[in-house]
Amino acid sequence: EVQLVESGGGLVQPGGSPRLSCAASGFTFSSYWMHWVRQAPGKGLVWVSRINGDGSSTSYADSVKGRFTISRDNAKNTLYLQMNSLRAEDTGVYYCAREEGSTWAFDYWGQGTLVTVSS
Amino acid sequence: QSALTQPASVSGSPGQSITISCTGTSSDVGGYNFVSWYQLHPGKAPKLIIYEVSNRPSGVSNRFSGSKSGNTASLTISGLQAEDEADYYCNSYTSSNTLNVFGTGTKVTVL
Repeated sequence: EVQLVESGGGLVQPGGSPRLSCAASGFTFSSYWMHWVRQAPGKGLVWVSRINGDGSSTSYADSVKGRFTISRDNAKNTLYLQMNSLRAEDTGVYYCAREEGSTWAFDYWGQGTLVTVSS
Repeated sequence: QSALTQPASVSGSPGQSITISCTGTSSDVGGYNFVSWYQLHPGKAPKLIIYEVSNRPSGVSNRFSGSKSGNTASLTISGLQAEDEADYYCNSYTSSNTLNVFGTGTKVTVL
């Protein structure tokens, strides 16, 4: 059974630098593109970032480019999101998701981890 | 890159069919078949229900169907059931710098 479990969220001060983790199991992790998607309270889903199977290719939404870094450790079956220079508008639930093939479809999602940026 | 446009809410009675639209541009919905749809129930992980415009993942009810015409994609739910009450989001690849864009979301209410 495919499972994705996020962790690392919590209350963070503006300018803080938390790192989110997503532990994957039930599939060959290194074979899949992985993504981060976020949802601000009461708002819609927003794509954040993606990384290919061996970690050599990454992409970011304009809103986080230069502040967030996506990475992965295939030996640990874990996806990461290093978040720097956090702003209030980064508050939200952060989901990791697996991409099916090369379809830009996210076929499995975690339950999400809440990041609250506030002083 | 602005979000794709969806109606804020759609409602229907049990057994009826409803359709949710998702309007973008030729740079996203109209230009590529990488359109997918997601169902969100509160407190649960989002669920993929349609990918590549009209394909259903294994295990998804055939009451869900997808289509596209020009810059607008559509999700149809037939034989509406109480369990279909949820938020629905479309998603598309985009040739803009952002690469990916979600819709504004639609709340489906079963009357």
